[in-house]
Amino acid sequence: DVKVTQSSRYLVKRTGEKVFLECVQDMDHENMFWYRQDPGLGLRLIYFSYDVKMKEKGDIPEGYSVSREKKERFSLILESASTNQTSMYLCASSLGQGYSPLHFGNGTRLTVT
Amino acid sequence: AQSVTQLDSQVPVFEEAPVELRCNYSSSVSVYLFWYVQYPNQGLQLLLKYLSGSTLVKGINGFEAEFNKSQTSFHLRKPSVHISDTAEYFCAVRSGGSYIPTFGRGTSLIVHP
Repeated sequence: DVKVTQSSRYLVKRTGEKVFLECVQDMDHENMFWYRQDPGLGLRLIYFSYDVKMKEKGDIPEGYSVSREKKERFSLILESASTNQTSMYLCASSLGQGYSPLHFGNGTRLTVT
Repeated sequence: AQSVTQLDSQVPVFEEAPVELRCNYSSSVSVYLFWYVQYPNQGLQLLLKYLSGSTLVKGINGFEAEFNKSQTSFHLRKPSVHISDTAEYFCAVRSGGSYIPTFGRGTSLIVHP
């Protein structure tokens, strides 16, 4: 079974801090994704990566950046955390084919105070 | 751009009753269709998928879904629900050639004893 591991389940950070959310997958998947999930808004794509060092902006990239230096690891960076970035963050991975489903991590609930 | 509509944000139902969660998507030449389930404080996991072939697909936990190309729908059904089916359900569509799925906003299934 594919395992997608997010480094933290819960994080509390202060406004203005630089925040790193880490995600690792163990099935050699080409694609990796970062979503944020908010009540009533569903899942919104922040960034997507289809290969090492390759990335594409999703629907809401403002205030975020990503890094993919190795195939198995995809990091989400909040350059200067703000209270409106308080949310659940979900990482996912998939094979490169369009018919492949996504495999999700358990999420990181980030609170910015 | 692809869009996915889950017509009900919440569906309350009594245990052992049947349930249908509705999903409609905007038209596309070829699509791959997915239903995911999210239990509290967890990530999403795949329930079932439609790639091609038979329009009725069966998934885990007794769920099934029917692909209707003319109505661009992919409704999820279960003939008899359990308390443990209480969760958030997401419909997702991947258009041919795209790496990135489009998610609906989710339907909260609440099963009452």
